[in-house]
Amino acid sequence: DVKVTQSSRYLVKRTGEKVFLECVQDMDHENMFWYRQDPGLGLRLIYFSYDVKMKEKGDIPEGYSVSREKKERFSLILESASTNQTSMYLCASSPDRYEAFFGQGTRLTVV
Amino acid sequence: DQQVKQNSPSLSVQEGRISILNCDYTNSMFDYFLWYKKYPAEGPTFLISISSIKDKNEDGRFTVFLNKSAKHLSLHIVPSQPGDSAVYFCAASPYGNKLVFGAGTILRVKS
Repeated sequence: DVKVTQSSRYLVKRTGEKVFLECVQDMDHENMFWYRQDPGLGLRLIYFSYDVKMKEKGDIPEGYSVSREKKERFSLILESASTNQTSMYLCASSPDRYEAFFGQGTRLTVV
Repeated sequence: DQQVKQNSPSLSVQEGRISILNCDYTNSMFDYFLWYKKYPAEGPTFLISISSIKDKNEDGRFTVFLNKSAKHLSLHIVPSQPGDSAVYFCAASPYGNKLVFGAGTILRVKS
């Protein structure tokens, strides 16, 4: 079974903090993605990576950055957390950019 | 500009009856379509997919229909069960590029 693991289920951070969300997959997939899910907006792509050290902006990259130093790990960084970044964050990996396998999600609250 | 639209935010169905979830898309480059199911506090899980060269794909109680001329797809669940209650996301991919998701439809199956 493909396993995508996100480091935290729930996080509460203060405005202005630098926040790291970690994601690890165990299936040697080339492709990894970070989405955020908000009611009425569905899943919106923040960043994705097709290979180690490579990254591309998704639809809503502002306020975020990513790091992929190893194939299995893809980190999302909130440079200076703001309240409008309160959301459910979902990491996914994919062997072929079609079917994505998701982690359990991180519910981030910025206060 | 939403390229994948799920116009019904929610749907309520009696147990044993058919559930029909709809999805419209605007990008004619989409060649692969997927449905994901999501329970609260969990990541989405893949349900069923269809390639643009087909107009129907079945998997047990789940059938996806694709009407390319109308840029419309639908997911049929027959018979519906209470455990099917979840959020259903439609997603599309243009030739193996990143997935684009709809806003989701909340399905409630009443027993």
